Amino acid sequence: EAEVAQSPRYKITEKSQAVAFWCDPISGHATLYWYRQILGQGPELLVQFQDESVVDDSQLPKDRFSAERLKGVDSTLKIQPAELGDSAMYLCASSFSGGAAGNEQFFGPGTRLTVL
Amino acid sequence: GNSVTQMEGPVTLSEEAFLTINCTYTATGYPSLFWYVQYPGEGLQLLLKATKADDKGSNKGFEATYRKETTSFHLEKGSVQVSDSAVYFCALLNTGNQFYFGTGTSLTVIP
Repeated sequence: EAEVAQSPRYKITEKSQAVAFWCDPISGHATLYWYRQILGQGPELLVQFQDESVVDDSQLPKDRFSAERLKGVDSTLKIQPAELGDSAMYLCASSFSGGAAGNEQFFGPGTRLTVL
Repeated sequence: GNSVTQMEGPVTLSEEAFLTINCTYTATGYPSLFWYVQYPGEGLQLLLKATKADDKGSNKGFEATYRKETTSFHLEKGSVQVSDSAVYFCALLNTGNQFYFGTGTSLTVIP
């Protein structure tokens, strides 16, 4: 069964360092999402791609976060510099196409980031 | 605007008890509605969905009915098991392909 892949699964870094997360969506899925999930809360959308284009990054802290999906397939989310408050689970999800009813998202296992 | 409101947890039930987790939504247009489940340390998994009013989604003994008149999508299960212990998220997908999640409800089932 096709799955969304993410790496690394766990990342520990020190404050002010740079970190990067990678996501490979299910083949053929045009829409890719990055979420941040703080412990005990629901996922918060950071950025949404349709193919290689950003369609929503309104909640992305652009002074330190960046995301790209250069060829419209896999994607990288970067934080530079990391801050203590960035400690969270970072989830990637993909879905088949935009706007169609019932197109559920498929989630990867997530990357647990701890900033010391 | 779009939003999802879930009943707050945590919820603790004995095995074989009846489960209801309330979910209401606000949306423009006609959204699709979902329930996702998250086990500790894992990503979210789709539990069930409904794409139009009066649809009933069901899976693994869980059910939820899309009620447009009350803007609700409550999750129910007649007899919970210990293995159902997880966090449950209600979500909507609007016509702009944007997802909105509730804050999650933690369920613990004790033997």
